[in-house]
Amino acid sequence: DAGITQSPRHKVTETGTPVTLRCHQTENHRYMYWYRQDPGHGLRLIHYSYGVKDTDKGEVSDGYSVSRSKTEDFLLTLESATSSQTSVYFCAILGRGNTGELFFGEGSRLTVL
Amino acid sequence: GESVGLHLPTLSVQEGDNSIINCAYSNSASDYFIWYKQESGKGPQFIIDIRSNMDKRQGQRVTVLLNKTVKHLSLQIAATQPGDSAVYFCAESPNSGGSNYKLTFGKGTLLTVNP
Repeated sequence: DAGITQSPRHKVTETGTPVTLRCHQTENHRYMYWYRQDPGHGLRLIHYSYGVKDTDKGEVSDGYSVSRSKTEDFLLTLESATSSQTSVYFCAILGRGNTGELFFGEGSRLTVL
Repeated sequence: GESVGLHLPTLSVQEGDNSIINCAYSNSASDYFIWYKQESGKGPQFIIDIRSNMDKRQGQRVTVLLNKTVKHLSLQIAATQPGDSAVYFCAESPNSGGSNYKLTFGKGTLLTVNP
């Protein structure tokens, strides 16, 4: 358990509304990630952060923005949600030590109607 | 739980048998590989990793084999148990840490263990 909390765990929203998912970690890890998971696609990286105010795009960043104003929180925002953004979203942090192991949260299921 | 793979490759084995899950990767520059296990309704969990300067690494009941020539990775699970039923993902990276570190995941394989 790397002290990762995602919220909300489940959300249903309508097309065109803004949505923000929050990832909170308690162990001062530097690197944080947002992935989405869809049937047939596995996990795809949306955005990641390598420090406060330092973020970069992943392979499926269109339609998403992120913010990291403090070490413990990494926010994923859908400015105007679309049905194609219906997915399960996972936050992850990079563990310390010699491995590149990512520790994942429990996921947030988002349904856009 | 969450539905994570309606169109996944599947592997069905009998309890006690050995399982082999395969993964092909495309980036010849990948230097670091990880296998993850994901149970229904949960986030992925680390199983084992291997760097490109190795071709085999063993853990508890699991072995990862790396063939860089054909860009193939496999996960072997010995004496498969019902608790091993899950979706298994391989992941790759051009490095094992440092700046700009990120993992690229494969699409996953669903392992079902029959009692």
